Amino acid sequence: EDQVTQSPEALRLQEGESSSLNCSYTVSGLRGLFWYRQDPGKGPEFLFTLYSAGEEKEKERLKATLTKKESFLHITAPKPEDSATYLCAVQPHGSSNTGKLIFGQGTTLQVKP
Amino acid sequence: NAGVTQTPKFQVLKTGQSMTLQCAQDMNHEYMSWYRQDPGMGLRLIHYSVGAGITDQGEVPNGYNVSRSTTEDFPLRLLSAAPSQTSVYFCASSRVTGGWETQYFGPGTRLLVL
Repeated sequence: EDQVTQSPEALRLQEGESSSLNCSYTVSGLRGLFWYRQDPGKGPEFLFTLYSAGEEKEKERLKATLTKKESFLHITAPKPEDSATYLCAVQPHGSSNTGKLIFGQGTTLQVKP
Repeated sequence: NAGVTQTPKFQVLKTGQSMTLQCAQDMNHEYMSWYRQDPGMGLRLIHYSVGAGITDQGEVPNGYNVSRSTTEDFPLRLLSAAPSQTSVYFCASSRVTGGWETQYFGPGTRLLVL
């Protein structure tokens, strides 16, 4: 069964304290892995798409990496405005006709000043 | 571009009532979908469409109907609301040119069924 697991469920950091969020996945074949940011009461906002193991993407203080079994979202020197829930989703090859995304439950990040 | 828009933002229904959640996109995306988000469950696919006149079921379709008469609009209908349909509903869209591309989400509709 295709599955996505994110850890930790919640993470509290001090401003400037770097850390990483984990997304482990089990799929029959990976079409793509997506990271989204979700603020309270809002829809998921797209951050990154990764397609193959070894790929890396960066945006400001965020860097996403991908291996054959997991993805990491590294947050360098976070600021309070980085506080949000970060969602990981995979699109299996088997979903090529449905576009279905399988989501993890998210990691809620709180960055304290 | 407004992107993906959803209305209403919030709705309260009584059990057995019907309603339509509206979703529109102005990006000329072929693919549109509906997800529901529940605590501890992640987002789950309800229905999707790969183009006007074409719809199909996702992971949790029971109790919901969809249609797609235009590229821009993809409404979700609840024919007889149940408390189990209390959730936050998100519409998403993407291009399908040469393969699946990134899906963009709307702001959501929060539905409470009493």
